[in-house]
Amino acid sequence: GAGVSQSPSNKVTEKGKDVELRCDPISGHTALYWYRQSLGQGLEFLIYFQGNSAPDKSGLPSDRFSAERTGGSVSTLTIQRTQQEDSAVYLCASSWKEAYGYTFGSGTRLTVV
Amino acid sequence: GQSLEQPSEVTAVEGAIVQINCTYQTSGFYGLSWYQQHDGGAPTFLSYNALDGLEETGRFSSFLSRSDSYGYLLLQELQMKDSASYFCAVRNSGNTPLVFGKGTRLSVIA
Repeated sequence: GAGVSQSPSNKVTEKGKDVELRCDPISGHTALYWYRQSLGQGLEFLIYFQGNSAPDKSGLPSDRFSAERTGGSVSTLTIQRTQQEDSAVYLCASSWKEAYGYTFGSGTRLTVV
Repeated sequence: GQSLEQPSEVTAVEGAIVQINCTYQTSGFYGLSWYQQHDGGAPTFLSYNALDGLEETGRFSSFLSRSDSYGYLLLQELQMKDSASYFCAVRNSGNTPLVFGKGTRLSVIA
């Protein structure tokens, strides 16, 4: 596609429920990243997929968080048993070469009530 | 680990020049990047410096000094639309993700 697509754009969920966030990267981009951003804060790394290599999960804050990337393309970030501190904007990005930078999606704003 | 420091806020006058500094500490180094983010928007890539020196792209320039673990973003002929947050970011190697600074909020005033 023309850009990185994320869905849903907004998600309100009750504490304790599971949520799935989707990312459709730019076709041909081999690397895919998930970050989250709390209001007025920087970007916190969550997980990174590069080609067929094992993902770098070093940023996942707890075992309630998981992600997969199917067929080297679409990725899903799953948060189980959501907590209020999970409320944030979840950003997905893809890239081809470092010199060209990351292209970010518009994000999913998650609110846990 | 890695850490980056940049000022939290900067205010500048329309038409002026502003410099946003970034210092970093990292075990390895694979380039310094800059991203712009408008309120409610997604971060967008501005520049990437792998080697020392100045890279210029229109009104924006980015500088890197690897020996000083320091870089800056220079914005010239400031416009109101430049009001945004600016993030510097580094990575340890070609196979690691970017680590972002906390961002500098730039306010351009008339």
